[in-house]
Amino acid sequence: DAGVTQSPTHLIKTRGQHVTLRCSPISGHKSVSWYQQVLGQGPQFIFQYYEKEERGRGNFPDRFSARQFPNYSSELNVNALLLGDSALYLCASSPKESYGYTFGSGTRLTVV
Amino acid sequence: AQTVTQSQPEMSVQEAETVTLSCTYDTSESDYYLFWYKQPPSRQMILVIRQEAYKQQNATENRFSVNFQKAAKSFSLKISDSQLGDAAMYFCAYKGRGSTLGRLYFGRGTQLTVWP
Repeated sequence: DAGVTQSPTHLIKTRGQHVTLRCSPISGHKSVSWYQQVLGQGPQFIFQYYEKEERGRGNFPDRFSARQFPNYSSELNVNALLLGDSALYLCASSPKESYGYTFGSGTRLTVV
Repeated sequence: AQTVTQSQPEMSVQEAETVTLSCTYDTSESDYYLFWYKQPPSRQMILVIRQEAYKQQNATENRFSVNFQKAAKSFSLKISDSQLGDAAMYFCAYKGRGSTLGRLYFGRGTQLTVWP
């Protein structure tokens, strides 16, 4: 079975631009969460979606948004990129909200 | 707010020896989950072991075991018979079952080096 897949693997953007990151959960997993991991720190929670509804939002500005599609895949959008948005963005999926998460390999975003 | 603290930024161990990684957490919830994740250079977070707070018995997974002290809010990871492949960043994480359901809180991580 395929694990959690994220695309793209790496990308470089310029300040002020917009970016869309994509995540496909494990088949059958209805919960998808997004995390931001800055170098040298633990991941920080951004969003959680379950059954296409937002179930939680971390302490991130409104420039960050996300959605979950009928097939449970998800997109994370970041507008007006800042240098400080440079990080590894991790997607994780779970069959239920109460289960542990399986993580993807992440998207490395560099803002220049 | 829930916080997770890993006080050891770096640890090292010789192959075949045992090492213990420390983690403490702060919460007002009575029911929750605790996890240890491993992140090798490939970046993927891999679940090592999971503990449910209502279970008094410490979780074990092959060479990995935990020492869960609920009253002290302590959750340490013991790696026995260390192998070169155990070298990675290890993160302790907390997930509540109340209003914060679904959200993982991570510590800053402990970088484990394994020497041959």
